[in-house]
Amino acid sequence: AQSVAQPEDQVNVAEGNPLTVKCTYSVSGNPYLFWYVQYPNRGLQFLLKYITGDNLVKGSYGFEAEFNKSQTSFHLKKPSALVSDSALYFCAVRDKARDDKIIFGKGTRLHILP
Amino acid sequence: ETGVTQTPRHLVMGMTNKKSLKCEQHLGHNAMYWYKQSAKKPLELMFVYSLEERVENNSVPSRFSPECPNSSHLFLHLHTLQPEDSALYLCASSQAVAGLNTGELFFGEGSRLTVL
Repeated sequence: AQSVAQPEDQVNVAEGNPLTVKCTYSVSGNPYLFWYVQYPNRGLQFLLKYITGDNLVKGSYGFEAEFNKSQTSFHLKKPSALVSDSALYFCAVRDKARDDKIIFGKGTRLHILP
Repeated sequence: ETGVTQTPRHLVMGMTNKKSLKCEQHLGHNAMYWYKQSAKKPLELMFVYSLEERVENNSVPSRFSPECPNSSHLFLHLHTLQPEDSALYLCASSQAVAGLNTGELFFGEGSRLTVL
């Protein structure tokens, strides 16, 4: 069973506009959720995580994510996109059914248009 | 800058060669991982070491052989690879508490492998 899904392969946003990268999850119990970013020819970098508490989580580079339990979603957001935000974004979840391993989505490529 | 260092960054090898990828973490973590990243595929977890013991092997072919001599170093030994093994191999580390992987992963910049 798929643990995390990113329904969009690519998202295009004009610079200065708000951006959203979508993620839905499917795990038993309370999820631990993460967002990572990968710039070209680099490894993944941690952006933010949700463990418990406030549903709105703030992270690096002005990004934030909203945990929605009823919709099993954890969408990544930023109020005003920068060209330098163009990268590959991965949602991930700790899956208790798989010995607490962190499972990644397939990634969403974000293009910020100048 | 990353606390996880991978070498080499790029590697080209023939199908009969034997080579190794190296990973070193300077973060004091107790768990290390190998992931495979191929184009248009989800990130694949290959191996997990926690406290220097292998705790997961996701049915990886035996032509990939991991080694974790201590908590700071992780190797991936390669031999008799196939062209479809060409990919970016990412090493990561984390701090596991009571065997649980609750924290975030810290990744190296990857080793780009091309098998001819």
